[in-house]
Amino acid sequence: DIQMTQSPSSLSASVGDRVTITCRASQGIRNDLDWHQQKPGKAPKRLIYAASSLQSGVPSRFSGSGSGTEFTLTISSLQPEDFATYYCLQHNSYPRTFGQGTKVEIK
Amino acid sequence: EVQLVESGGGLVQPGGSLRLSCVASGFTFSSYNMNWVRQAPGKGLEWISYISISSSTIYYADSVKGRFTISRDNAKNSLYLQMNSLRDEDTAVYYCARNEWIDYWGQGTLVTVSS
Repeated sequence: DIQMTQSPSSLSASVGDRVTITCRASQGIRNDLDWHQQKPGKAPKRLIYAASSLQSGVPSRFSGSGSGTEFTLTISSLQPEDFATYYCLQHNSYPRTFGQGTKVEIK
Repeated sequence: EVQLVESGGGLVQPGGSLRLSCVASGFTFSSYNMNWVRQAPGKGLEWISYISISSSTIYYADSVKGRFTISRDNAKNSLYLQMNSLRDEDTAVYYCARNEWIDYWGQGTLVTVSS
């Protein structure tokens, strides 16, 4: 199974801050990685697919990068509605595996 | 608009069974592979099962293999999860999710396993 190691597990940031979240795969997964956002009590929502492509309707302050084993989600200027938990998901092989999640909280 | 609506959750005793359903609308269900993903209270996301368009390919996570069965009825735009021999650790919100790479999620249905 492919293990996804996501860091940090949580972070505190202020509105306007630049935020970076990292996911590391235990083996190469090309660009078969997506990022999902989940707000409390809600279903997850996909933000980024194929490592760096922005889902339709998602603000351009979100961006993704990486390939192989190292991936990054960046929020260029954190907005109040971005406080949520973020998960990476590898879809290179089964079983699908998620990172442990990063909870982004208000400083 | 893509919509996935789960139902069938509830309270069940350990060792019991439950069948979850997911009804799809807003897209051609018979053209998409589907998944079930769950989330225990306060925990992260766990993929548990996949079914291909024709039901010819099915995968399970080790945590549910031999106890859960995924199925679909393309004529009814529906996805199912039959859960047997339920354990306390199966308590979670269960989501259906579209596509092998998961692009859309349902709103989830809560399953509580407790005596």
